[in-house]
Amino acid sequence: DTAVSQTPKYLVTQMGNDKSIKCEQNLGHDTMYWYKQDSKKFLKIMFSYNNKELIINETVPNRFSPKSPDKAHLNLHINSLELGDSAVYFCASSQAGGGGNTIYFGEGSWLTVV
Amino acid sequence: QKEVEQDPGPLSVPEGAIVSLNCTYSNSAFQYFMWYRQYSRKGPELLMYTYSSGNKEDGRFTAQVDKSSKYISLFIRDSQPSDSATYLCAMRESGGYQKVTFGIGTKLQVIP
Repeated sequence: DTAVSQTPKYLVTQMGNDKSIKCEQNLGHDTMYWYKQDSKKFLKIMFSYNNKELIINETVPNRFSPKSPDKAHLNLHINSLELGDSAVYFCASSQAGGGGNTIYFGEGSWLTVV
Repeated sequence: QKEVEQDPGPLSVPEGAIVSLNCTYSNSAFQYFMWYRQYSRKGPELLMYTYSSGNKEDGRFTAQVDKSSKYISLFIRDSQPSDSATYLCAMRESGGYQKVTFGIGTKLQVIP
């Protein structure tokens, strides 16, 4: 059973389109995250939710909108895609707030904007 | 200056070598220090975690934290080809829902 699963794994789309990436975790964790890993492999947090409540919102364009229907799901919707949005997006979860608790990552969603 | 600095490599070593991976950081409030391993086309997975200063050993892996120098290390003994991956250091402050800050990762290749 995959702990953190995200779909789709690969996504190629044109500039200006709107796309969504879905994420689900079956670990019973309270906290979920979206991370972005750019072409230079730098992994940076975008959002963090705890029990469906947004707790971390880094400087991310408002074209990116996370939605958490319940604590096991955190989806990412991206409007008006731009070339610079091409990256790998990782969903992740942890028991509570990160800290010393392990952050479990999904396998990533490779987004290419053409 | 980035909060966390890490040499991206690549680092190539022969099988059986001792590998030393390092990160420096600027935020003296960091208390939790982690090393993640990321295989190609996979998500990062936690390898080691240390709270505050000191050493921690797990099999062939040893993590060291020197808060006075703001310097952390990961040592891999008897390196194996299966250790070939990117190793990311990560750290965060204590308390509340603090974000985890990652280094850029060092790509390691262990040559048989």
